[in-house]
Amino acid sequence: GIQVEQSPPDLILQEGANSTLRCNFSDSVNNLQWFHQNPWGQLINLFYIPSGTKQNGRLSATTVATERYSLLYISSSQTTDSGVYFCAVEPASNSGYALNFGKGTSLLVTP
Amino acid sequence: EPEVTQTPSHQVTQMGQEVILRCVPISNHLYFYWYRQILGQKVEFLVSFYNNEISEKSEIFDDQFSVERPDGSNFTLKIRSTKLEDSAMYFCASTGTGYEQYFGPGTRLTVT
Repeated sequence: GIQVEQSPPDLILQEGANSTLRCNFSDSVNNLQWFHQNPWGQLINLFYIPSGTKQNGRLSATTVATERYSLLYISSSQTTDSGVYFCAVEPASNSGYALNFGKGTSLLVTP
Repeated sequence: EPEVTQTPSHQVTQMGQEVILRCVPISNHLYFYWYRQILGQKVEFLVSFYNNEISEKSEIFDDQFSVERPDGSNFTLKIRSTKLEDSAMYFCASTGTGYEQYFGPGTRLTVT
């Protein structure tokens, strides 16, 4: 099946710093989504981005489908950005639309 | 903004008991999913459901699991005889005509 690799696995930032999270995937995809899992375990939709670039406030994401990677940028990080960030993809070859998740990047933003 | 809802938020059950986790997908969505996340691990796909039947299921989704859309709004996941290893967060998701999946807040299942 499709491989989804996220890096780095862990990241510690000081408040105000910028960061880039990466997601590599091994096959063509119909869907790529970024999620933030908050301390209560909820999965918050950040971006639906199978290709191109999107921005939402301090967050932006870019997917280069032809090179099979996606990047999530967090600018001016805040302590509330802490949590785990997951990339999830649906292979183009898939018929049931199942999302395959990466193992996540665990982000801690310190004051 | 419409959202997926799940009940209960936390369920504690004894090993061997049956549990039913409930989800209300976004109305007019057509595809429904269940995922689970064991504590500290990644989110794993269980099953997808379309047009009143399972369209795809993972190896995790064995005979102990079943899904149902009993009416026009609810989507349920039943675990027939729970095991300790079924303890996890269970997420429901739904999709409309596009590919983007909208996730509910999850049900934390604890099997003792």
